[in-house]
Amino acid sequence: AQTVTQSQPEMSVQEAETVTLSCTYDTSESDYYLFWYKQPPSRQMILVIRQEAYKQQNATENRFSVNFQKAAKSFSLKISDSQLGDAAMYFCALNFGNEKLTFGTGTRLTIIP
Amino acid sequence: DTEVTQTPKHLVMGMTNKKSLKCEQHMGHRAMYWYKQKAKKPPELMFVYSYEKLSINESVPSRFSPECPNSSLLNLHLHALQPEDSALYLCASSQGGTQNTEAFFGQGTRLTVV
Repeated sequence: AQTVTQSQPEMSVQEAETVTLSCTYDTSESDYYLFWYKQPPSRQMILVIRQEAYKQQNATENRFSVNFQKAAKSFSLKISDSQLGDAAMYFCALNFGNEKLTFGTGTRLTIIP
Repeated sequence: DTEVTQTPKHLVMGMTNKKSLKCEQHMGHRAMYWYKQKAKKPPELMFVYSYEKLSINESVPSRFSPECPNSSLLNLHLHALQPEDSALYLCASSQGGTQNTEAFFGQGTRLTVV
């Protein structure tokens, strides 16, 4: 069975600074997809970034980037130049190209003005 | 259009009521999902429809009854719920089949059972 672990229940960062959220996972598969979802108080789960396991290059979307370490089964999210609108619950998730998403327990990110 | 639309946004129902949650997407996705989310917890998968057929039922009680009238619509019929069923219910869709990757979520329905 696959598991996703987010060891930081809460994080905070000063506005305009950089913060890294951690995620580790466990799977015996070699092909899979990893995602970071953001859930602000508005409740909608928004896809932030995705990474295909077969790609060595780390994914980047504007201020969001990942550090994907396949051998270590680690998938951290770096948010640069943090903004007030980044405050949310962040979930790491794992998928094998099928219909099941396995979520981590989430990290609540607070932005300090 | 990357939108999944859920109605209603809020619902309060008694334990003897029957109500339905609705979800719609126009992205041509062939997989649609219902998730239940309690406060400060990750979403829990309830049902998956793939190509309009129920493919996954995560041992959900029969008081929750899903329906997929067509590839764009997904309903969740509710009957004789319990107060512990109060939660955020999220609908999602994805491409489906062997090209299934990221899921797109709606804003959810906040359900309160009284």
